[in-house]
Amino acid sequence: DVKVTQSSRYLVKRTGEKVFLECVQDMDHENMFWYRQDPGLGLRLIYFSYDVKMKEKGDIPEGYSVSREKKERFSLILESASTNQTSMYLCASSFNRNYEQYFGPGTRLTVT
Amino acid sequence: GENVEQHPSTLSVQEGDSAVIKCTYSDSASNYFPWYKQELGKRPQLIIDIRSNVGEKKDQRIAVTLNKTAKHFSLHITETQPEDSAVYFCAASQGSGGGADGLTFGKGTHLIIQP
Repeated sequence: DVKVTQSSRYLVKRTGEKVFLECVQDMDHENMFWYRQDPGLGLRLIYFSYDVKMKEKGDIPEGYSVSREKKERFSLILESASTNQTSMYLCASSFNRNYEQYFGPGTRLTVT
Repeated sequence: GENVEQHPSTLSVQEGDSAVIKCTYSDSASNYFPWYKQELGKRPQLIIDIRSNVGEKKDQRIAVTLNKTAKHFSLHITETQPEDSAVYFCAASQGSGGGADGLTFGKGTHLIIQP
């Protein structure tokens, strides 16, 4: 059974702080993804990675960066958190391209 | 980039009736079209997917159809039950050509099953 875990369910940070969101998958999946989910907007792709140290920008990468030092771990970094980054952040992984993406439980981030 | 439109945003049907959710996409390079179901407070979960070499796929009460020429695909749920109440998202692969494809999601359809 695929398990995707995220480091926190809820997080409150102040404007300007550097924020790290971590995601770990235990199924040796090649691909990992970060999305944010906002009411009425669906899920929007921030960044994804298809291999260790490889990354590609998604649709809304501004204000974010990522790190993938190990195959099982994919981190999302908010360099300087802003209030418009308050959102639900979902991590996902998949075995290969065009295969099912398995989602983590999400981290609800509030930036005050 | 890819753009996915999903309709309707809310759909209310009587228990036992059928529900249809429609999506259109813009990028002809997209070749993978999954549907996710998200119950309140839970993570999205795949319910069915279709690849561009197939026109229709069925799994019990759920079916998906794909029209590549018109760039639209639809989710059909028959004999709806209370547990079908959720938000449904369609998605299309971005066809980036790299080692993986991110997904572009529609904005979601809140399906309400009336008893």
